[in-house]
Amino acid sequence: AQKVTQAQTEISVVEKEDVTLDCVYETRDTTYYLFWYKQPPSGELVFLIRRNSFDEQNEISGRYSWNFQKSTSSFNFTITASQVVDSAVYFCALRPAQYGNKLVFGAGTILRVKS
Amino acid sequence: NAGVTQTPKFQVLKTGQSMTLQCAQDMNHEYMSWYRQDPGMGLRLIHYSVGAGITDQGEVPNGYNVSRSTTEDFPLRLLSAAPSQTSVYFCASRSGMTYEQYFGPGTRLTVT
Repeated sequence: AQKVTQAQTEISVVEKEDVTLDCVYETRDTTYYLFWYKQPPSGELVFLIRRNSFDEQNEISGRYSWNFQKSTSSFNFTITASQVVDSAVYFCALRPAQYGNKLVFGAGTILRVKS
Repeated sequence: NAGVTQTPKFQVLKTGQSMTLQCAQDMNHEYMSWYRQDPGMGLRLIHYSVGAGITDQGEVPNGYNVSRSTTEDFPLRLLSAAPSQTSVYFCASRSGMTYEQYFGPGTRLTVT
């Protein structure tokens, strides 16, 4: 069975603070993909990143960075110098390679960035 | 290229009514899915399709039907709406050559 846990229901930070969103996953598959999506107040789902299970390199994109650790089954997301526009719900998701369409989502973390 | 479109954006139904949520994509994607989003539960897969004429159940299929007669369209039918189906519904599509799913803007459904 596949499962994604985002233990942080809600996080509040002040602008310019760094914040890390945790994601822990469970799967018995050896090949899988991990994703992060952002859902701003407008409601659409915005794709942020995809990571393959066989590629443990961390990735940085501007103020965003992702730390994938297979040993702890975690795929954490850090926002550096947060901004008010980062306020959103962030979802971590897992898709086993054999299931072309089955994304398993975590419950999401609400991030509130205050000015 | 409109991507994934969904209609309607909002809908209110009475218990027992039926309706169809429309989803269309113009990217020639093989894979299409329906998810529902409920507070504190993330998104859960209702039904999915790997190509025209092929559909299968996801995690929460009860109360919903789908069909895929064309590559472009993947409608979701509620045969007899229940208050438990109050949710936000997202349609998604993906090419077999890529990893990312593209989501539609969502349909907010309220069943009273």
